[in-house]
Amino acid sequence: DVKVTQSSRYLVKRTGEKVFLECVQDMDHENMFWYRQDPGLGLRLIYFSYDVKMKEKGDIPEGYSVSREKKERFSLILESASTNQTSMYLCASNQVLAGTDTQYFGPGTRLTVL
Amino acid sequence: QKEVEQDPGPLSVPEGAIVSLNCTYSNSAFQYFMWYRQYSRKGPELLMYTYSSGNKEDGRFTAQVDKSSKYISLFIRDSQPSDSATYLCAMSSGNTPLVFGKGTRLSVIA
Repeated sequence: DVKVTQSSRYLVKRTGEKVFLECVQDMDHENMFWYRQDPGLGLRLIYFSYDVKMKEKGDIPEGYSVSREKKERFSLILESASTNQTSMYLCASNQVLAGTDTQYFGPGTRLTVL
Repeated sequence: QKEVEQDPGPLSVPEGAIVSLNCTYSNSAFQYFMWYRQYSRKGPELLMYTYSSGNKEDGRFTAQVDKSSKYISLFIRDSQPSDSATYLCAMSSGNTPLVFGKGTRLSVIA
């Protein structure tokens, strides 16, 4: 059974704090993704990675960075959190980037920035 | 025009009804079409996958793709309260990340 886990289900941070969101997958998947999900806006891709130490910008990378030092772990970093980064953050992974391969999602981290 | 359009609902139906969920898209290069289901406070999970045009059936669920109209549908027969969730369409042209619709929130009332 594929498992994608995220370090926290709920997180509350203050404006200006540096925030780390961690994601771990146990299926040896090549690709990992970070999305944010907001009411009325749906899922938006922030960054993805197709290999260790490789990263690609998604649709909304501004204000975020990522790190992939190990294949199973993909971190999303908010260098200086702002209130407009309050959102649900979802991590996903798959083996093949081609559209034939399903993405497996983690349970999400609901981040509130005060 | 957004790449993928999906009516957000909410859609409320009685138990046993046939539900039709739809997405339209603008990118004619899309070939892979998926439907994900997302329960409240959970991550999305794959429900149906279709390649190119045509129909695919799995139990009470049928996915249809009409590439000529750039239109995809998900039908749920004999809907159950357990089908209450948000349904997201997703599509890709190949070696690119999936593009998701915004999701349609469905409530099936017992």
